[in-house]
Amino acid sequence: GNSVTQMEGPVTLSEEAFLTINCTYTATGYPSLFWYVQYPGEGLQLLLKATKADDKGSNKGFEATYRKETTSFHLEKGSVQVSDSAVYFCALSEERGDYKLSFGAGTTVTVRA
Amino acid sequence: DVKVTQSSRYLVKRTGEKVFLECVQDMDHENMFWYRQDPGLGLRLIYFSYDVKMKEKGDIPEGYSVSREKKERFSLILESASTNQTSMYLCASSPGRSSYNEQFFGPGTRLTVL
Repeated sequence: GNSVTQMEGPVTLSEEAFLTINCTYTATGYPSLFWYVQYPGEGLQLLLKATKADDKGSNKGFEATYRKETTSFHLEKGSVQVSDSAVYFCALSEERGDYKLSFGAGTTVTVRA
Repeated sequence: DVKVTQSSRYLVKRTGEKVFLECVQDMDHENMFWYRQDPGLGLRLIYFSYDVKMKEKGDIPEGYSVSREKKERFSLILESASTNQTSMYLCASSPGRSSYNEQFFGPGTRLTVL
């Protein structure tokens, strides 16, 4: 079956530091890959996505590249802000599946001023 | 903007009570989902629905049921609440029939079962 493994947190950083959150996946076909973010007290919202190998998703200074050879979709941001404090979830959806998302456990990121 | 609303942000119930969690989306999406979110476990799918009166079991359906009588509304029912159902419940919706499509989430209902 499908599964997503992401780096355990919590992660605490200073403002302007570099952030990486590792995500690897197991899937039978050619999945679409997503990063969702959950700010305190809110539901999840899509941060970025990639639908095929070597695609790069980007949004709000975050980037992730779909690496089929390493089955990875690591999230990066070059200079974090306090407002980036949130829980980040990696997720996949199978190409020929039933449109369900399989989520990783989530990584809590806290950015200190 | 797509909006997914959930009937309550916080709910406290007693063991054995029947609990209804309501979700409404305003963008005419075909697909709707119920998840529970627990620390260290991420989101786990309880039930989902592709269309009115259609429902499919997710990964953890035991102890839950759902109802979708109208396209915009998807209800999660706990027939007899138990303490291990204390959790954050998230509803989501998505359009169409593509694995590429984004899911839009409601703010969540934090349910405590005493």
